[in-house]
Amino acid sequence: QVQLVQSGTEIKKPGASVKVSCKASGYTFSTYFLHWLRQAPGQGLEWMGWINPNSGDTNYAQKFEGRVTMSRDTSITTAYMELNRLKSDDTAVYYCARAITMIVVAFDYWGQGALVSVSS
Amino acid sequence: DIQMTQSPSSVSASVGDRVTITCRASQGISSWLVWYQQKPGKAPKLLIYGASNLQSGVPSRFSGSGSGTDFTLSISSLQPEDFGTYYCQQANSFPYTFGQGTNLEIK
Repeated sequence: QVQLVQSGTEIKKPGASVKVSCKASGYTFSTYFLHWLRQAPGQGLEWMGWINPNSGDTNYAQKFEGRVTMSRDTSITTAYMELNRLKSDDTAVYYCARAITMIVVAFDYWGQGALVSVSS
Repeated sequence: DIQMTQSPSSVSASVGDRVTITCRASQGISSWLVWYQQKPGKAPKLLIYGASNLQSGVPSRFSGSGSGTDFTLSISSLQPEDFGTYYCQQANSFPYTFGQGTNLEIK
């Protein structure tokens, strides 16, 4: 069965960086784009960007350009999202999610979420 | 960015009721509209994509309609397990954006 398993809770200070992993299994890793989204406490969902696991190509929301890097390691079917220069309002649950297709950007499988808490 | 506005923000309904949630886009998005259900502490669950296509495994009491700027999610006969927060998402253009959510409570 398809699974996306994310790394655990991270507690960071302002200005630090965080790298969240997303281990995919149960399907061909290179076939589906992986997207990263986040949800601040009690808030809605925010899309951050995607990575094409086949090529490594990425596309980031302008809000995060220059601060986010998405990467993957195909040998271990794992995607990563690194966010730099963390601020307190980056505190959120970060999700990886698989899109149905490159064209149909609907997320059919999600990771369990990784809480990133930023506080001095 | 395309703004997505859901209404109502919250709704309380009884088992067996029909519930309708609306989502309006700030500009036309054709049928590139997705609906999710989220329960507390869990990741969202895909319900409908392409405005009206039911995701595999989702009960047929859920349905979606609309195109352009106005969309609806309907639950024909509310069940106890349908509580949660419902989000719409536009899949038309970057950055993909979500509505603010509709909290559905079972009376």
